[in-house]
Formats: sequence, C-alpha cells, structure tokens
Amino acid sequence: QITLKESGPTLVKPTQTLTLTCTFSGFSLSTSGVGVGWIRQPPGKALEWLALIYWDDTKRYSPSLKGSLTITKDTSKSQVVLTMTNMDPVDTATYYCVHISYSSGSKSYFDYWGQGTLVTVSS
Amino acid sequence: SYELTQPPSVSVSPGQTASITCSGDKLGDTYVCWYQQKPGQSPVLVIYQDRKRPSGIPERFSGSNSGNTATLTISGTQAMDEADYYCQAWDSGTAVVFGGGTKLTVL
Repeated sequence: QITLKESGPTLVKPTQTLTLTCTFSGFSLSTSGVGVGWIRQPPGKALEWLALIYWDDTKRYSPSLKGSLTITKDTSKSQVVLTMTNMDPVDTATYYCVHISYSSGSKSYFDYWGQGTLVTVSS
Repeated sequence: SYELTQPPSVSVSPGQTASITCSGDKLGDTYVCWYQQKPGQSPVLVIYQDRKRPSGIPERFSGSNSGNTATLTISGTQAMDEADYYCQAWDSGTAVVFGGGTKLTVL
C-alpha cells in the first residue's frame, strides 16, 4: 500500500524559505520507474505543478518557478524534500506530494497523492 | 509555455452522459490524464494515458484524445461524481501542465 504524507510549517513569513518534507511508504525511490513530485493548489484555485524527482535523480522544475525551487531525495529515509525560497503571500496554498508511475516521458502519471498540507504566507 | 483550457463548469442530469473537454495545441500528440477532486479531498487519478482507468475507477469513466482536444466522458453520471475535474499533460515530456479545472454539477 502506497502512502505519502507532507510535513512542514503551516505559517511562513514573506521572503522566508519554505522547506517541505514528503515521507512515503510502500515503494522505494531507488526502484526504476518511480518518481515523487510536488503540486500545489491555492485556496479555490487550480492545481499547479512545482517539481519532481525520479529514481535516477533526474529532476524537473516548473519553468515559472525554477529559480526558487530545489528538490532532493533521501532514499534511505524514504523522503523527498522541496525547498522554495523568497516566499510571498501568493504562495499560500495546499501543497501535495505525489507518487509518479514513470514510463517514457509523457506516459507518466500521478497515481497516489498525499493528504496535502496548507501553507500560509503572512507577516 | 504550454496551456490546457477547460470549461469552468459543466452541468448534467443524473443518469445522463457528461463530457468535459481539455484543449491544447496538438494535444493528441501527447498523453492526457484526468483527476477528480471532491471538496476538502486530495485529487484522485481517474484516467491516465488518454483512456486507461486505474484499478477501482468505475467503468462509467472513459477518456479520449485526438487533435487538439481530450475528453473525459462520464456515462450514467451519479450524484457522487459531482466534483472538480482537472486534465494534465506533459510539455515536451519534461514539464507538467494542468488545465484550469472544470466543476461538474449533477442536478
């Protein structure tokens, strides 16, 4: 059974750096064909993809946020960490961690989602 | 950057067929996924690789993708299908793009 859970601060101040941790079980990020990604959703708005990392340490970032995001994995701890610098109130959102079943490029899909964690950016 | 366009809302009567579209330039040349999100819940994958259903997703959910438009079809729509639906595709196989979402109302 695959599960993912997001953890991190619920409140950050503008200009601060956000660090979110995804702790997962039921799979290994050292197994070929597996990835973990981050997706966020501002209150009442659409989903927005942020970043992903594959078993082979390939990383992809949203072009619009690339300069502010870093994604890393710790296979031994079954964790993926996302850092986002220079947080702004517009970054207030629920942040989801997802399991990716990888095939060739565009065949990949997000088949398991965490419960999400609401992060509010406010002074 | 690549964009996917969905209608903001679709209404359907119980038992009827609901169709939700997702449009993008040459969308048929890539694969599309669909996610269902009910209020206060995480999204759930209902269609992947254009037309495949994950285990546990009812057969009334189906998908197609051709030209510039992908379509999620819900046959015999039930009240429990009322939710927001998001399409998703890949831009050049490296970046993920979501549509703006469609609110399905069953009335």
